[in-house]
Amino acid sequence: GEDVEQSLFLSVREGDSSVINCTYTDSSSTYLYWYKQEPGAGLQLLTYIFSNMDMKQDQRLTVLLNKKDKHLSLRIADTQTGDSAIYFCAERGGNTGKLIFGQGTTLQVKP
Amino acid sequence: DAMVIQNPRYQVTQFGKPVTLSCSQTLNHNVMYWYQQKSSQAPKLLFHYYDKDFNNEADTPDNFQSRRPNTSFCFLDIRSPGLGDAAMYLCATSSRGGVLNEQFFGPGTRLTVL
Repeated sequence: GEDVEQSLFLSVREGDSSVINCTYTDSSSTYLYWYKQEPGAGLQLLTYIFSNMDMKQDQRLTVLLNKKDKHLSLRIADTQTGDSAIYFCAERGGNTGKLIFGQGTTLQVKP
Repeated sequence: DAMVIQNPRYQVTQFGKPVTLSCSQTLNHNVMYWYQQKSSQAPKLLFHYYDKDFNNEADTPDNFQSRRPNTSFCFLDIRSPGLGDAAMYLCATSSRGGVLNEQFFGPGTRLTVL
């Protein structure tokens, strides 16, 4: 079946790097996504990676994909207080094409 | 700006009293989704429309129905809300022809059941 898991909480100091981890089970996933949800708002697509890539960098964001271990991570460099939010990992199921979300990681950034 | 709009943002209903949540989009996307998100949980897909074709998830309770009268609007009807239906309801859209299949989300409607 399709399942995505994340740790629930991460706390960092402003200026440090944050690393949010995710594991998934569907080896036929084509795309993997990171969404950000700020309080009271909907989910916003932050970045994505195609399954044949190992790494993708987009300004302060770095996505690493280990397809063998089915492990995805999001690194945020120079974390700011505005990065405080819930971050959802999602996979696009290879068989269904649906998005399967993890339960979200709450990132707390302390000044 | 093109966007996904949900109304109302907060909805309070009584146990067993039917309620309708609304979603509209200006993106002209052909796919519209409804998700249920409970506290500290992943968004759970209830159903989606691909144009006028309705696709229900196997584990979506019969209590939940949806209507899509045109491309822009989609409604979520909860026929007899129970306490367990209190949640954030998220609407999303996507263009099925897009390779990325990016889903654009509305801000959500928080439903309280008394």
